[in-house]
Amino acid sequence: KNEVEQSPQNLTAQEGEFITINCSYSVGISALHWLQQHPGGGIVSLFMLSSGKKKHGRLIATINIQEKHSSLHITASHPRDSAVYICAAAQGAQKLVFGQGTRLTINP
Amino acid sequence: DTEVTQTPKHLVMGMTNKKSLKCEQHMGHRAMYWYKQKAKKPPELMFVYSYEKLSINESVPSRFSPECPNSSLLNLHLHALQPEDSALYLCASSQLGAGDTQYFGPGTRLTVL
Repeated sequence: KNEVEQSPQNLTAQEGEFITINCSYSVGISALHWLQQHPGGGIVSLFMLSSGKKKHGRLIATINIQEKHSSLHITASHPRDSAVYICAAAQGAQKLVFGQGTRLTINP
Repeated sequence: DTEVTQTPKHLVMGMTNKKSLKCEQHMGHRAMYWYKQKAKKPPELMFVYSYEKLSINESVPSRFSPECPNSSLLNLHLHALQPEDSALYLCASSQLGAGDTQYFGPGTRLTVL
């Protein structure tokens, strides 16, 4: 069993839909990261959470430390949101443990 | 400047070649990372440098040799690679460690013939 599990692995939706990607982890963490990777390779850090909720534009990330669960939400999804979304748990001082990623496709 | 740069963008090498990948950041970050990413897989941690010292080596074969000449620069020296080492090699940096936002470079796409 992976230490960081994401669901779903693939998600296809229509433009405008509300999107939720889930991440569960079994390790003790100091922080939980949400990353976005577009085709071509570049990875962008979206959020770094240690508690509660953060919002940036149409993106919202939440974490429940007791339940070891985090969610990434996208409101009013757009085709440009199509990418792979990866959650990564900060384990110890220096190591990130990555989930397998969720491949999101938003159709116009 | 919140950019991590990597050179080259693409590299094709034979199994007997020696080459180096370069990564640079000017954000004053003290933690720098090398990751390897195969197609449709998440990044795998290879090495972590903290304050210019190697702090994590994830049992990486010795044909990969990291170097941190100064706080802004990270190199990955490659020698006698195998075709299965073909992958995207990503460099990242963060303020102090994994509890800080990581900034990723665009990667070097390596092909070993």
